[in-house]
Amino acid sequence: NAGVTQTPKFQVLKTGQSMTLQCAQDMNHNSMYWYRQDPGMGLRLIYYSASEGTTDKGEVPNGYNVSRLNKREFSLRLESAAPSQTSVYFCASSETRPTGRGVNTEAFFGQGTRLTVV
Amino acid sequence: GESVGLHLPTLSVQEGDNSIINCAYSNSASDYFIWYKQESGKGPQFIIDIRSNMDKRQGQRVTVLLNKTVKHLSLQIAATQPGDSAVYFCAEGARYNTDKLIFGTGTRLQVFP
Repeated sequence: NAGVTQTPKFQVLKTGQSMTLQCAQDMNHNSMYWYRQDPGMGLRLIYYSASEGTTDKGEVPNGYNVSRLNKREFSLRLESAAPSQTSVYFCASSETRPTGRGVNTEAFFGQGTRLTVV
Repeated sequence: GESVGLHLPTLSVQEGDNSIINCAYSNSASDYFIWYKQESGKGPQFIIDIRSNMDKRQGQRVTVLLNKTVKHLSLQIAATQPGDSAVYFCAEGARYNTDKLIFGTGTRLQVFP
């Protein structure tokens, strides 16, 4: 199974350029996420989408936009890249499973996109 | 990737020893916790989870302990192997907002032969 697939794996941008990071999952999950990972800061949530057609801001949404194109795909766009956006970006998906006392959410991650903005 | 985790706390253990990785969480409303393992150049992978109505949960060679009083979570790995070398993250979620998993900064585990 492919799971969560991200493209590209590596990208170098000049300041001010735009680009879109693509993400697709084949697990029929409702929820999808974009995280960025910086040294010493763990994973920080940029945006998430609880279902097709909905998106919500996470912890660090400034400078990014997202599109939940359909249930499978969730893209992240940088309209005007800045050096502060140099990071490793991870897409994830999850299926919230109802339990007797709420829900459990196990997220599956892609391999990551290493973005450098110069 | 290689540049991630340069400033992470590091735990070094000898192969065969037990490892204990700790995590403190801040949101008292969190009631669901997950441990992830991230190997170099890869995305995080699920290891084990625990709900707040439990104090302990065991998996294969791993045990997660939850102390809600002091908001502390630990991951115990028995008989640590070289393949356990990775960065380990804890993540927390709230019952009514489980779409927002919040991750800790991570701990690097190094296993020496």
